[in-house]
Amino acid sequence: ETGVTQTPRHLVMGMTNKKSLKCEQHLGHNAMYWYKQSAKKPLELMFVYNFKEQTENNSVPSRFSPECPNSSHLFLHLHTLQPEDSALYLCASSRGGGGTDTQYFGPGTRLTVL
Amino acid sequence: QQQVKQSPQSLIVQKGGISIINCAYENTAFDYFPWYQQFPGKGPALLIAIRPDVSEKKEGRFTISFNKSAKQFSLHIMDSQPGDSATYFCAAGVGGTSYGKLTFGQGTILTVHP
Repeated sequence: ETGVTQTPRHLVMGMTNKKSLKCEQHLGHNAMYWYKQSAKKPLELMFVYNFKEQTENNSVPSRFSPECPNSSHLFLHLHTLQPEDSALYLCASSRGGGGTDTQYFGPGTRLTVL
Repeated sequence: QQQVKQSPQSLIVQKGGISIINCAYENTAFDYFPWYQQFPGKGPALLIAIRPDVSEKKEGRFTISFNKSAKQFSLHIMDSQPGDSATYFCAAGVGGTSYGKLTFGQGTILTVHP
């Protein structure tokens, strides 16, 4: 595997379910990001982990809970979501240590909340 | 103040034509301006980026023009090809940070007809 991988690629869940999204980067990077992509809206930065420490939480509701056990893996734990949370969730990574570092994105998880 | 406004939302160009996408920002702290390209089913990928110390940057058929006084920047795609059909996002960030905190535009869906 190369680059940034995300699993699952598609997820359908009910409002009472608990699920997790997984992201893995094979680039040796130190910064990892979660973004939300909704139709006709800008990509929204949700969380940033830099050297395994959470450095950004962009006022995300607590029903989204990130976890970064090491610099290669990032999870997004989901519980009691709302239908408006349906979107494409993108993971990205960058070398870390600089604001101009290129961010490399995974293909995303398409989430549908029923 | 954190917004990046992108236009047009969609663009249709004939093969061989010039595609132009515009972005405007308000936050004068922004000093890094990347453009990302996203194909269906894929995550965004960095296409080209510019810092405000230059007014233009060219890479192959892709050129960024930057107007610091007007707080605007644009992407020009020369000799547009059907393979360029994708969604394009402009973004803005602060280069001096320790990780990439980008603010994205809404995206432009480009269709190049053969």
